[in-house]
Amino acid sequence: AQSVTQPDIHITVSEGASLELRCNYSYGATPYLFWYVQSPGQGLQLLLKYFSGDTLVQGIKGFEAEFKRSQSSFNLRKPSVHWSDAAEYFCAVVPNFGNEKLTFGTGTRLTIIP
Amino acid sequence: EAGVTQFPSHSVIEKGQTVTLRCDPISGHDNLYWYRRVMGKEIKFLLHFVKESKQDESGMPNNRFLAERTGGTYSTLKVQPAELEDSGVYFCASSQVSQQFFGPGTRLTVL
Repeated sequence: AQSVTQPDIHITVSEGASLELRCNYSYGATPYLFWYVQSPGQGLQLLLKYFSGDTLVQGIKGFEAEFKRSQSSFNLRKPSVHWSDAAEYFCAVVPNFGNEKLTFGTGTRLTIIP
Repeated sequence: EAGVTQFPSHSVIEKGQTVTLRCDPISGHDNLYWYRRVMGKEIKFLLHFVKESKQDESGMPNNRFLAERTGGTYSTLKVQPAELEDSGVYFCASSQVSQQFFGPGTRLTVL
């Protein structure tokens, strides 16, 4: 069955430290990949997406993600986190263009400590 | 430009009652989606409208859930009668081309 796995339910990092959130997918072919963030009281906001081309994609708020076909992964990274990055992060996929039904991972909650 | 709005933000009802959630998409967006997140689980797709037509309702859990989008503008999602397992956060999203824009969600608590 098609699925998205975010193995880390909760991550705590210090402000200024680097961050990597993991995402693995299980699909027959390369899907379209997304990272969303949900801050308290807010809707899901798109951070970045990968459709094709350069496997390192840049997003908003200083985030980037790298698509690795051999590992079926799309990990999210940020070199230096800010207290405002505390939120819940969701990896999501769409199997192909034209089918926009998103399949989400279970989310990773990020806590930032001073 | 206004984003996707949802009403109410929070609803607390008793088992057996009826609740109607509303979603107003971004103006001009033909695609409207409903998703649900049950506590501790992943966000799951419920259904997809293209204008007023149901394109895909494969995620609707059972016939206690009824979604409508009359006139292709706002959408409602009615749960009747509500059960305990319906508790969760219901998200609405809209899109025109590819990127889905999400609303803040409605937190439904069934007691």
